[in-house]
Amino acid sequence: DIQMTQSPSTLSASVGDRVTITCRASQTMSNWLAWYQQKPGKGPELLIYRASNLQNGVPSRFSGSGSGTEFTLTISSLQPDDFATYFCQQYKTYPYTFGQGTKLEIK
Amino acid sequence: VQLVQSGAEVKKPGESLKISCKTSGYSFTTNWIGWVRQMPGKEMEWMGIIYAGDSDTKYNPSFQGQVIMSADKSITTAYLQWTSLKASDTAMYYCVRRDDYNHGYFDYWGQGTLVTVSS
Repeated sequence: DIQMTQSPSTLSASVGDRVTITCRASQTMSNWLAWYQQKPGKGPELLIYRASNLQNGVPSRFSGSGSGTEFTLTISSLQPDDFATYFCQQYKTYPYTFGQGTKLEIK
Repeated sequence: VQLVQSGAEVKKPGESLKISCKTSGYSFTTNWIGWVRQMPGKEMEWMGIIYAGDSDTKYNPSFQGQVIMSADKSITTAYLQWTSLKASDTAMYYCVRRDDYNHGYFDYWGQGTLVTVSS
């Protein structure tokens, strides 16, 4: 299985900050990576697919980059609605696997 | 597109359970529907996917034999079932729709069904 290691597990930031979350894969996987946002009590929502493609309707302050084994999710200017948990998912091979999640908290 | 899951369940070890995921807003038979488990405080785990058109299934080996996925085209609903629950099945379960291009990411998620197994 491809192991996904996500960091940091918790991130404290303020409105307006630029933040970056990293996902590292245990083996190369081209750009078959997605990022999701999850808010308490709700199902996750897709933000980014194929490492850098923004899902329809997702604000442009979200961006993704990377290929191979290292990937990043960047939020350029945090808004109050962005404080949530973020996680990555690889879909290069079965079984699909997820990162452990990053909880983005208000500083 | 909407995926609406059945409500929370409280069961005893050894009991059976079938939870559902009612879909709407797209062609049910041309997408794969999957299930994802999230145990308390743990990362998401992909359990498997089913192609609603012909009920072809692909299971995560970790869940093969532990659960059964099915789909009913007539009511555009997917199911996840257990024949004998264990305490370790306590978790939130999400149904997910695999993307239209069948790459493997999940473009829509249900709201989750909390399953609690306790004696």
